[in-house]
Amino acid sequence: DGGITQSPKYLFRKEGQNVTLSCEQNLNHDAMYWYRQDPGQGLRLIYYSQIVNDFQKGDIAEGYSVSREKKESFPLTVTSAQKNPTAFYLCASSIRGWGGQPRSYTFGSGTRLTVV
Amino acid sequence: SQELEQSPQSLIVQEGKNLTINCTSSKTLYGLYWYKQKYGEGLIFLMMLQKGGEEKSHEKITAKLDEKKQQSSLHITASQPSHAGIYLCGAHGDNAGNMLTFGGGTRLMVKP
Repeated sequence: DGGITQSPKYLFRKEGQNVTLSCEQNLNHDAMYWYRQDPGQGLRLIYYSQIVNDFQKGDIAEGYSVSREKKESFPLTVTSAQKNPTAFYLCASSIRGWGGQPRSYTFGSGTRLTVV
Repeated sequence: SQELEQSPQSLIVQEGKNLTINCTSSKTLYGLYWYKQKYGEGLIFLMMLQKGGEEKSHEKITAKLDEKKQQSSLHITASQPSHAGIYLCGAHGDNAGNMLTFGGGTRLMVKP
């Protein structure tokens, strides 16, 4: 079955460390996204990528980095520059739209990152 | 970026009661999505609305988009404990649909 796989489900990081969250999809979707969710809040966009080897900053990109070397993979690195990284991270993918065409977004099951 | 306001932020209802969740934007909504989320899990797609005045239903959940395409409502009829969770509305920030931005979510609890 096609879908998005995020790993690990739980991740603990010591202060000052970089950690990388994995996101893999086999839906052949062009676009991929990373969102952050804090308790009791909605989702905020960190980075997105419409095509391989290209990505754009979202609303809260500071302290994060991404790469898109393969269509199916969009890893997110939480760097030591991110001052408050404890949160729930969701990855999503979608069919790339053309001028308002409806899209189909699929979400992964998330990674909960905790700074210890 | 598109800003979406959801209301209420939280809601507790007795099983069997109806309820409505609202999602409002100051800008035109080019594609409005409703998702449900269980705590600590991913998002489950419910419905997508695109046209002004559009209404869609799935089982006991109905979503509407107003004619001006600036407000959407999600209505649950005869609520059940299985409806409990966080409901999120999301919308395209522009007509090209380059990204999906979300409201703050509505946390629903259904008392048996």
